[in-house]
Amino acid sequence: AAGVIQSPRHLIKEKRETATLKCYPIPRHDTVYWYQQGPGQDPQFLISFYEKMQSDKGSIPDRFSAQQFSDYHSELNMSSLELGDSALYFCASSLKTGNTHFGQGTRLTVV
Amino acid sequence: AQSVTQLDSQVPVFEEAPVELRCNYSSSVSVYLFWYVQYPNQGLQLLLKYLSGSTLVKGINGFEAEFNKSQTSFHLRKPSVHISDTAEYFCAVRGSARQLTFGSGTQLTVLP
Repeated sequence: AAGVIQSPRHLIKEKRETATLKCYPIPRHDTVYWYQQGPGQDPQFLISFYEKMQSDKGSIPDRFSAQQFSDYHSELNMSSLELGDSALYFCASSLKTGNTHFGQGTRLTVV
Repeated sequence: AQSVTQLDSQVPVFEEAPVELRCNYSSSVSVYLFWYVQYPNQGLQLLLKYLSGSTLVKGINGFEAEFNKSQTSFHLRKPSVHISDTAEYFCAVRGSARQLTFGSGTQLTVLP
């Protein structure tokens, strides 16, 4: 069965640069979520989209933005990167009454 | 709003011994409860979930959990662990909003 696909799997950026992470949800899932997991931390909810509209917002910095496109894929854009942004970024998708399925994550390292 | 507390950050246990990973939650609304497992440098894999009905839920890899509403707990158990169960385990709750709130995680280390 198809899973949530994230790209790239690994990304290294310098401070103050910009990064774009991509997520392809499971087909027909109507909700996409982004989570950030810092080293040794639990995943923290950043933002979600329901049917391509932003539905909930968590602890997402103003430097970050996200959107969901007509083909349901989503992108997380991060600007003015800081060392503290180094983390594992997960995308997840679900149906309204279904399980939340997570991607393998993108490991972002800011140097 | 809801929150999740995992009482043990590290649980070492010998192979073939039983294990219990503790999870307590707080919420002002009805919640759904989940346990996820994360292997090193991997994503989060759903072990089991409680949505409604029977309070004892069985998941993959021989794990089970019991929902206790009066104690607001959802402890994860396995009667006999294997080396391959070594991983980080996260308890999570979902309330009226659809995103998950995770606990801080419990590192289960199975010793030979």
